[in-house]
Amino acid sequence: QVQLVQSGAEVKKPGASVKVSCKASGYTFTSYYMHWVRQAPGQGLEWMGIINPSGGSTSYAQKFQGRVTMTRDTSTSTVYMELSSLRSEDTAVYYCARAKNWFDPWGQGTLVTVSS
Amino acid sequence: QSALTQPRSVSGSPGQSVTISCTGTSSDVGGYNYVSWYQQHPGKAPKLMIYDVSKRPSGVPDRFSGSKSGNTASLTISGLQAEDEADYYCCSYAGSYAYVFGTGTKVTVL
Repeated sequence: QVQLVQSGAEVKKPGASVKVSCKASGYTFTSYYMHWVRQAPGQGLEWMGIINPSGGSTSYAQKFQGRVTMTRDTSTSTVYMELSSLRSEDTAVYYCARAKNWFDPWGQGTLVTVSS
Repeated sequence: QSALTQPRSVSGSPGQSVTISCTGTSSDVGGYNYVSWYQQHPGKAPKLMIYDVSKRPSGVPDRFSGSKSGNTASLTISGLQAEDEADYYCCSYAGSYAYVFGTGTKVTVL
């Protein structure tokens, strides 16, 4: 079955960077784009961007331009999301989700806590 | 890109129907038939309930239905059940590989 497994929780200091991984299985990795979405505590879902695992092309939400980098490793069927210059407002659960013009399935989520 | 507008909460008794609206613009909801809906229970990842405005994935009960008129999409839950109590989010394609989510609606089963 299609499955997305994300890396574990992270605690980072303000100004640092975090890199979250999402390993895909159960389908042809390069046949589907991958989204990244985040959810701050008690808040709604926020789309961050999308990566094409086949060629590596990306498209980022304007809010995160310059701070986010999405990459992939086709040898391990894994996509990565790196967010830099972290601030407290970046504390959130970060999700990957397989892309068509919808999001399905989703990874289990990775909690990133930014605290001094 | 501004978030799509949803009511903060809706409620209904078991067996009743509730409808959640999702209002955007001609650049997102009104411009594409790529609206999807997600159910999220506390502490869980979102789950796809509707895609392409009105299509239901395998395994989603037919009590869930979607529609769109102009810049507003809607999710209707018929025959409300206790397990339907959750947060619901709409999402729309907004062009140029960008997507936007709704503000989210809490559904309460009375």
